[in-house]
Amino acid sequence: AQKVTQAQTEISVVEKEDVTLDCVYETRDTTYYLFWYKQPPSGELVFLIRRNSFDEQNEISGRYSWNFQKSTSSFNFTITASQVVDSAVYFCALSEARNNDMRFGAGTRLTVKP
Amino acid sequence: DAGITQSPRHKVTETGTPVTLRCHQTENHRYMYWYRQDPGHGLRLIHYSYGVKDTDKGEVSDGYSVSRSKTEDFLLTLESATSSQTSVYFCAISESISPAYNEQFFGPGTRLTVL
Repeated sequence: AQKVTQAQTEISVVEKEDVTLDCVYETRDTTYYLFWYKQPPSGELVFLIRRNSFDEQNEISGRYSWNFQKSTSSFNFTITASQVVDSAVYFCALSEARNNDMRFGAGTRLTVKP
Repeated sequence: DAGITQSPRHKVTETGTPVTLRCHQTENHRYMYWYRQDPGHGLRLIHYSYGVKDTDKGEVSDGYSVSRSKTEDFLLTLESATSSQTSVYFCAISESISPAYNEQFFGPGTRLTVL
């Protein structure tokens, strides 16, 4: 079965610092999809990005950027110039094309201090 | 925001009692999911549904059953609740085409405490 590892349990930074959240995955499938979700203190889960296994192009959206590297099975998420509103738990997830079982990492709790 | 509601939002129950959680969607999405969220584990899939009366097991299905008699409703039942089922339960939905590809939209969650 597929597996997602987020080794960083908690990260604390000061506002305006850059921070990178790591995600390493395992899968035997050649077609798969990677996701990042954000869970702010209010508790809801918010979809941030999807990347498929055939598209290694990095993506930037405002202060957020994602680096997908198949060679290292990683899909890392960087927040540039962090803000207090970025404080949340961030989940990386993986789904394989052959099944409907999305696997989530354990999450990284990011705290941005003013 | 996707139209997903969960009821109840909070519940405290005793060991051995049956519990049913409800997920209701207004998006007419084919796929619906139940997850549980526990510290150190992220979200784990309990059961999912790919249509009315069509369901399948997820990673942690033991002790849970589900039913889907209408497109908009997906019920999760704990036949005899145990303390290990204390958790936050999330319902999610996704569109029909290529469920592995589509992002899932999540409900607000139900916090269940089993004493």
